[in-house]
Amino acid sequence: GDSVTQMEGPVTLSEEAFLTINCTYTATGYPSLFWYVQYPGEGLQLLLKATKADDKGSNKGFEATYRKETTSFHLEKGSVQVSDSAVYFCALYGYSSASKIIFGSGTRLSIRP
Amino acid sequence: GAVVSQHPSWVICKSGTSVKIECRSLDFQATTMFWYRQFPKQSLMLMATSNEGSKATYEQGVEKDKFLINHASLTLSTLTVTSAHPEDSSFYICSARDSMSSTYGYTFGSGTRLTVV
Repeated sequence: GDSVTQMEGPVTLSEEAFLTINCTYTATGYPSLFWYVQYPGEGLQLLLKATKADDKGSNKGFEATYRKETTSFHLEKGSVQVSDSAVYFCALYGYSSASKIIFGSGTRLSIRP
Repeated sequence: GAVVSQHPSWVICKSGTSVKIECRSLDFQATTMFWYRQFPKQSLMLMATSNEGSKATYEQGVEKDKFLINHASLTLSTLTVTSAHPEDSSFYICSARDSMSSTYGYTFGSGTRLTVV
């Protein structure tokens, strides 16, 4: 079945550092891919999405490109801020997932001032 | 944008009692809603898919008699944790899909932290 694998955390960076959180997926066909963010004690917010190969999703300085050849959707940000500290989830929605979103395990990001 | 309201945001109950959590889509109709459970520092585990006007579909290993789901209208789904025990303590999150939106029209509630003492 469909699955999502993302790099384990926690990830700790200094403010203004470059961020990469790796995400790879296994799915039949062409799934839609997402990054969600969860701030402490809150629900999930959609950060960005891409629905077809080579699409680039972007929001709040974060970017991720849908790479079908490597089945990846890595999250990047050029200069992180303390306010970016949160848990980030990679996810997919595909034809074989029966209307369900499949989540990765989540990566906890902490940014030091 | 689409908003999902989840209530209560936190609840403490005694062991053996039942707790109801509500999930409402505020500005859209949702024929399908999802209920997730999240343990500390872990990912979301899908518990069940709630379908308006029909029985919920539970994931393998989820006790349907313990986690009762009702989706009586296009804007409201409820999850009732019956005879709660301390091991049911967790963060519960609902998600609703906008019936008129595309496949990625999912919106999440802010979650409910349940503590059973």
